[in-house]
Amino acid sequence: NAGVTQTPKFQVLKTGQSMTLQCAQDMNHNSMYWYRQDPGMGLRLIYYSASEGTTDKGEVPNGYNVSRLNKREFSLRLESAAPSQTSVYFCASSEAPLGEQYFGPGTRLTVT
Amino acid sequence: RKEVEQDPGPFNVPEGATVAFNCTYSNSASQSFFWYRQDCRKEPKLLMSVYSSGNEDGRFTAQLNRASQYISLLIRDSKLSDSATYLCVNLATDSWGKLQFGAGTQVVVTP
Repeated sequence: NAGVTQTPKFQVLKTGQSMTLQCAQDMNHNSMYWYRQDPGMGLRLIYYSASEGTTDKGEVPNGYNVSRLNKREFSLRLESAAPSQTSVYFCASSEAPLGEQYFGPGTRLTVT
Repeated sequence: RKEVEQDPGPFNVPEGATVAFNCTYSNSASQSFFWYRQDCRKEPKLLMSVYSSGNEDGRFTAQLNRASQYISLLIRDSKLSDSATYLCVNLATDSWGKLQFGAGTQVVVTP
């Protein structure tokens, strides 16, 4: 039972490079989320998708874009990476917006 | 001011002892509360939900005090495997599905 999977697990980018973080869930959940976690800050919501076909900004959306490709997949794109985007990125899903969220293993991103 | 505040710790606890810590929240529209557990360099996992006046799950007890806007987590008979960071999380009625996380409280259980 895979749950929520994320790729890649680790990534190093140079400033200005772009990349897409992939997330997939096999629990038939409707809602999906992208968070970043920085030391001393707690997890902060970047974007979320309440259901297939919808996306909305969270607390810290600047510098990111998302795509809800289908019910299973929700990707996060950094168009022009900056050192301030060095962080651990977690994808999560829930059956409904008010439900328990299940997290993927995270992507550790370093931007130099 | 952060929406959810926690004492970062660490709380160093002898095995078998009891430890308790609080989390304060500032949004009076907060409706649902959760405790998540996060092991080092791993993803957060739900430990307990706290919906009304609190609840108990085995050695873990969560309490909610709406008047003072805090929730607490108590761990009895601590095990070495309880060593982790505990994240306080709330969901406000005006934030539709968007959880607000505290930075976490680290607990270290020692032999």
